[in-house]
Amino acid sequence: AQTVTQSQPEMSVQEAETVTLSCTYDTSESDYYLFWYKQPPSRQMILVIRQEAYKQQNATENRFSVNFQKAAKSFSLKISDSQLGDAAMYFCAYRSASDKLIFGTGTRLQVFP
Amino acid sequence: EADIYQTPRYLVIGTGKKITLECSQTMGHDKMYWYQQDPGMELHLIHYSYGVNSTEKGDLSSESTVSRIRTEHFPLTLESARPSHTSQYLCASSESHWHTDTQYFGPGTRLTVL
Repeated sequence: AQTVTQSQPEMSVQEAETVTLSCTYDTSESDYYLFWYKQPPSRQMILVIRQEAYKQQNATENRFSVNFQKAAKSFSLKISDSQLGDAAMYFCAYRSASDKLIFGTGTRLQVFP
Repeated sequence: EADIYQTPRYLVIGTGKKITLECSQTMGHDKMYWYQQDPGMELHLIHYSYGVNSTEKGDLSSESTVSRIRTEHFPLTLESARPSHTSQYLCASSESHWHTDTQYFGPGTRLTVL
């Protein structure tokens, strides 16, 4: 069975600095998708970025980028130029061919001015 | 604007009551999902549907039931609420195609059973 591990329950960063959130996963499949979702306090969960496993190029979305290491089964999220609005719970998720999303336990990111 | 909606956003109810959590989407998606999330914890899939008249149980056992009579509507029902049902319930939807079926989430319903 696939598993997703986020080993950092909490992280903090100063405004304008860069922070990296870690995620590892375990799977025997070769074709899958990986996602980072952001859940601000008491607000809607939104998609931050997605990565197709068959693509070697790392996905980027403005200040958000990933470091996808397929062989190591690692999928970290880098947030550049952190802003106060980036404070949230971040979930790493894996979607297999069976279509189900498997979530990690989340990393709570605090951003200090 | 295409979106996914959940009502109510907050619900406090007594033990034994029957409740229905509503979820609707205007995104034209075939697939819909219900997740349960305890505070500060990961999401667990409790129900999903791939289209009208299709419903399946997820990985986390739940006493709730769902129905899918219309494509855009996927309500979740608890026949007799108990304090153990206190949690946040998130609805999501996605397209059918493997390469485009990113899941989009509603705002959630925070349920408290007294």
